Amino acid sequence: SQQGEEDPQALSIQEGENATMNCSYKTSINNLQWYRQNSGRGLVHLILIRSNEREKHSGRLRVTLDTSKKSSSLLITASRAADTASYFCATVPTGGYQKVTFGIGTKLQVIP
Amino acid sequence: NAGVTQTPKFQVLKTGQSMTLQCAQDMNHNSMYWYRQDPGMGLRLIYYSASEGTTDKGEVPNGYNVSRLNKREFSLRLESAAPSQTSVYFCASRQQGNEQYFGPGTRLTVT
Repeated sequence: SQQGEEDPQALSIQEGENATMNCSYKTSINNLQWYRQNSGRGLVHLILIRSNEREKHSGRLRVTLDTSKKSSSLLITASRAADTASYFCATVPTGGYQKVTFGIGTKLQVIP
Repeated sequence: NAGVTQTPKFQVLKTGQSMTLQCAQDMNHNSMYWYRQDPGMGLRLIYYSASEGTTDKGEVPNGYNVSRLNKREFSLRLESAAPSQTSVYFCASRQQGNEQYFGPGTRLTVT
């Protein structure tokens, strides 16, 4: 079974609104990563957050990590039509630090 | 600096045929990965190589073999293709503790 599970699986919002995606995982992690995939393309890394960090920002992106609840969230503020893509979380387990496993993703549609 | 390259981009096989998917990275990364992506399933890890000379099974290794030829190259072999192996295959590389870099993918259809 996959380590991470994103919620919701699909999200449709208007341009300018904020989009929040959640990721839950099962085992202790070394770090958690968020990726974006445009249709028909490879994945592109967005943010990496380590297990001793609680929040991280990059431009319009904010990622939080709650290791006690084994969950993370990705917030995209002031969304744009170009943000339309699938978003995946990936986890690196404690001790298995080279094994990176992904969730099933959230498909985000931003309507202009 | 090409990043991660994969060949071929598209392939159609008949059931029972074999083929090797090639992956190369020029970022001097120690770790390399093979994933498959199916609709509604996200990315599932097939095999990974933490460093040159080592390989380990991921979540869905059955029906596949891998070779870490050198630090740059990591190939995935299907010995006897089955329709269930129709998928998009992604190769990725990573330096320990950091993010992954992905190739553009190989779209494989097995008829």
